[in-house]
Amino acid sequence: KNEVEQSPQNLTAQEGEFITINCSYSVGISALHWLQQHPGGGIVSLFMLSSGKKKHGRLIATINIQEKHSSLHITASHPRDSAVYICASQGGGGTSYGKLTFGQGTILTVHP
Amino acid sequence: DAGVIQSPRHEVTEMGQEVTLRCKPISGHDYLFWYRQTMMRGLELLIYFNNNVPIDDSGMPEDRFSAKMPNASFSTLKIQPSEPRDSAVYFCASQGYNEQFFGPGTRLTVL
Repeated sequence: KNEVEQSPQNLTAQEGEFITINCSYSVGISALHWLQQHPGGGIVSLFMLSSGKKKHGRLIATINIQEKHSSLHITASHPRDSAVYICASQGGGGTSYGKLTFGQGTILTVHP
Repeated sequence: DAGVIQSPRHEVTEMGQEVTLRCKPISGHDYLFWYRQTMMRGLELLIYFNNNVPIDDSGMPEDRFSAKMPNASFSTLKIQPSEPRDSAVYFCASQGYNEQFFGPGTRLTVL
């Protein structure tokens, strides 16, 4: 069974700081997703990656398949980045391809 | 594309009533997912479809829950009879080759 662990659970930063959220999973997977959920409740997919690194604006996601670890980085953080960030593994651990297993989420608060 | 569309956005019902949640995925997406989110358990996959066929329903909590996808543009999640513990936000998502796109969710309250 695949377990997905995120750290930290809560993160507070000052505007402009570099932020890193970590995600570890226990079995080989098909892909790793990073999601963002704002206080209003909507969920937005930030990245889906199976190897290497992806960048979108100030957001960077990396994955190390051998170490079963992924990181989400936010450069020059801004108060509007305040949200819950969720990592989710897709497939793996005997589960069907499409099944996502979610981490518990990281609550990020960025102060001005 | 309008994105994933869910209806209703809010539903308040009484215990024992039937509840039907609806979802229209993004055109061309082969996968459709139903999730439930609660404070206690976070996000959980209930069921997902590939090309309208249910693939994995291991997350459906019990027989009171059922889901259908009669065609590529429509899916329903039905709870009958509903119970207070079913109160949650239910998300539908669809996926093509890349990321999953989530609908706005249906906030269900069972009194």
